[in-house]
Amino acid sequence: KQEVTQIPAALSVPEGENLVLNCSFTDSAIYNLQWFRQDPGKGLTSLLLIQSSQREQTSGRLNASLDKSSGRSTLYIAASQPGDSATYLCAVPTQGGSEKLVFGKGTKLTVNP
Amino acid sequence: NAGVTQTPKFQVLKTGQSMTLQCAQDMNHNSMYWYRQDPGMGLRLIYYSASEGTTDKGEVPNGYNVSRLNKREFSLRLESAAPSQTSVYFCASSEALSARSETQYFGPGTRLLVL
Repeated sequence: KQEVTQIPAALSVPEGENLVLNCSFTDSAIYNLQWFRQDPGKGLTSLLLIQSSQREQTSGRLNASLDKSSGRSTLYIAASQPGDSATYLCAVPTQGGSEKLVFGKGTKLTVNP
Repeated sequence: NAGVTQTPKFQVLKTGQSMTLQCAQDMNHNSMYWYRQDPGMGLRLIYYSASEGTTDKGEVPNGYNVSRLNKREFSLRLESAAPSQTSVYFCASSEALSARSETQYFGPGTRLLVL
């Protein structure tokens, strides 16, 4: 059964710092991995989707990497800003390319001015 | 283009009452999903629909029924609500052209309290 773990559960950093969020999964036979952002009281917003054939995907100050063999992904946020404060979740298919996703419990990020 | 919309935003039920959560998307997506989000448990899939007229169980389907009315709409019904169904419910959709997992777009959520 696919399981997803995100460490740390919470992270507080000063503005301007570069930071890394971690995601690990147990079944590495996946086609892709997604990172989402969730603001308090809101729905999820997709940030990045990395295909298994890719090792990295970038969007602005965000860079996500995927290492299938080790069952790990990282989300790198450069020059963090208070507006980056949110919960970040990663999700992988239950198996292969299944449309059914398994989500991690998220990392709650606070960026202090 | 409203994306994914959900109604109602908030609902209070008494144990044993029934209700239907509505979801609609205007992105012409093939697949739609219902999740629940609970503290400490994360986001879990209840049901999903790969196309109009088809539905499939997710991780926590017990106590729920769904209906894919047409390509736009996917409803979630609680026939006899229980306090354990107190949660925040999210609907999502994806284009899923290749029937593989693709970017999912989420609605704003319905907060349900069962007393």
